Amino acid sequence: NAGVTQTPKFRVLKTGQSMTLLCAQDMNHEYMYWYRQDPGMGLRLIHYSVGEGTTAKGEVPDGYNVSRLKKQNFLLGLESAAPSQTSVYFCASSYSLKTGGDNEQFFGPGTRLTVL
Amino acid sequence: AQKITQTQPGMFVQEKEAVTLDCTYDTSDPSYGLFWYKQPSSGEMIFLIYQGSYDQQNATEGRYSLNFQKARKSANLVISASQLGDSAMYFCAMREARTGGGNKLTFGTGTQLKVEL
Repeated sequence: NAGVTQTPKFRVLKTGQSMTLLCAQDMNHEYMYWYRQDPGMGLRLIHYSVGEGTTAKGEVPDGYNVSRLKKQNFLLGLESAAPSQTSVYFCASSYSLKTGGDNEQFFGPGTRLTVL
Repeated sequence: AQKITQTQPGMFVQEKEAVTLDCTYDTSDPSYGLFWYKQPSSGEMIFLIYQGSYDQQNATEGRYSLNFQKARKSANLVISASQLGDSAMYFCAMREARTGGGNKLTFGTGTQLKVEL
């Protein structure tokens, strides 16, 4: 199993450009998440999804959109990139809380995005 | 107020010694979960250990244990017999049931641990 994969690993954008980050998981997890990690601030939740076709806002959703058309994929879009969106982006997935247990989140390797 | 507070930006420990990484949390939810993740310099996030708010005993996973003091709202990570490979950033995180929907985590700012010979 590949676990959680993210595409691309690195990207450089100019201000105003758009892009989509792709996250895929092969663990049949119901829940998926997008975080951003900035120095000294830990990870902050951007958007999340509790199932195919559903998405919800997290702590820092402004400037981002997401879609979950298939259970295994979760896309993060930046319509008009800004330098403040320079960050490392992590995707994660987990079972639903109904399955019981720890329900830890499994993380992808991250995408390093620079907006000039 | 910060929901998760990690007051140690950096820590040093000698190889083979034990080290405690501090984490305090703030919640009014009676049902919550506490997690620790490790992030080595390569960048990936690795799940280490979990403690549920109703768990009677402290969680342990190999060399990792979680010192859970509910009344003090602390969930410190203890690493025994430190190894050079333990050098990494460590994050404490909390899941609150009342936030509803999903299995959302709130992360602390992390503690950078350096294991020395």
